Amino acid sequence: ETGVTQTPRHLVMGMTNKKSLKCEQHLGHNAMYWYKQSAKKPLELMFVYSLEERVENNSVPSRFSPECPNSSHLFLHLHTLQPEDSALYLCASSQDRRSDQPQHFGDGTRLSIL
Amino acid sequence: QKEVEQNSGPLSVPEGAIASLNCTYSDRGSQSFFWYRQYSGKSPELIMFIYSNGDKEDGRFTAQLNKASQYVSLLIRDSQPSDSATYLCAVKLTSSGTYKYIFGTGTRLKVLA
Repeated sequence: ETGVTQTPRHLVMGMTNKKSLKCEQHLGHNAMYWYKQSAKKPLELMFVYSLEERVENNSVPSRFSPECPNSSHLFLHLHTLQPEDSALYLCASSQDRRSDQPQHFGDGTRLSIL
Repeated sequence: QKEVEQNSGPLSVPEGAIASLNCTYSDRGSQSFFWYRQYSGKSPELIMFIYSNGDKEDGRFTAQLNKASQYVSLLIRDSQPSDSATYLCAVKLTSSGTYKYIFGTGTRLKVLA
């Protein structure tokens, strides 16, 4: 299997639930990213990990908690989300943060908060 | 001013025509420029990237970069209905030692059969 794989593809959860999104990359990249994509808005960068270390957190609410156990796996733990958090969550990877190589995206998780 | 600006469209072109998609950016520190295609309900897929002023061609796609004017464009020759999608412009820049990817909102392209 190649590329960037995200699971689940769709997730419906209540505001009090706890769930996790998973991302796995098979490209040998050292940097991984979480993005949020809402309708009619640009992609919003949430978190950046480089060699398993979080290097960027763009003022994301604490109800989103990332985890990067190794350079191939990235998780986004969700807890007590709000309806406005409904969006497409995209994982991406790149060779490393400093190179000019592009990012490769997974198919995303479509999240709906009831 | 938005950091990366694109006309949201839709841009409609007849099949076989040239589609021209434009993107302007505000930060002169921008170093790398990317075009992604995103079909409805799918993830962004890299089409082209360009670092230097001028044109870069890959098949039916040509990326054009003009750093002095701070714009980057994507030309699609012989447009096909399968090219109908949203095209995202992305810019990578360095700011205070950190690296940032900034995306535009995308231009929706419709190729009419």
